[in-house]
Amino acid sequence: EDQVTQSPEALRLQEGESSSLNCSYTVSGLRGLFWYRQDPGKGPEFLFTLYSAGEEKEKERLKATLTKKESFLHITAPKPEDSATYLCAVLGSGDNFNKFYFGSGTKLNVKP
Amino acid sequence: SQTIHQWPATLVQPVGSPLSLECTVEGTSNPNLYWYRQAAGRGLQLLFYSVGIGQISSEVPQNLSASRPQDRQFILSSKKLLLSDSGFYLCAWRGTGEQYFGPGTRLTVT
Repeated sequence: EDQVTQSPEALRLQEGESSSLNCSYTVSGLRGLFWYRQDPGKGPEFLFTLYSAGEEKEKERLKATLTKKESFLHITAPKPEDSATYLCAVLGSGDNFNKFYFGSGTKLNVKP
Repeated sequence: SQTIHQWPATLVQPVGSPLSLECTVEGTSNPNLYWYRQAAGRGLQLLFYSVGIGQISSEVPQNLSASRPQDRQFILSSKKLLLSDSGFYLCAWRGTGEQYFGPGTRLTVT
């Protein structure tokens, strides 16, 4: 069964305190793993797509990495404006190839 | 560039009333389109998706329906709303791999 699990559910950091968010996935034949940022009351904003183990993508203070079973979103020296919920998703397999499976998200709070 | 619109932004409706939410996409043709619902503090629940005009795949809801009357238009409807239909409704279109989301509609059923 295609599935995504994110941890932790919530993370509180001090400004400048680096950390990582985890996304574990189960899918037969990965065709894409996606990271999104969602601010309160808004639609998710696309951040990264990863396709194969060992791949990395970077954007400002964010770096996404991928292994065969999980992905990490590393946040280096975060700022308060990085506070948001971060969602992870994969494309389904087999008959579900048009569906996206989302995790429940990690709510990040960065305090000044 | 591509743009996705949703309206209305917020909606307060009584139980038993009808619902119509509209989503349109600009700048692309024949996109895969999706409707999701997000409960407070929760992940995204896929409701419907469509790979073309008139083609709708239903995932979960029993009192909601979706239609795609035009290539870039996706409509979510209900004949009679339930309290449990309250939530944040998001429309999305699929690009080369990833999805892009609209601004969402906050629906409160009273």
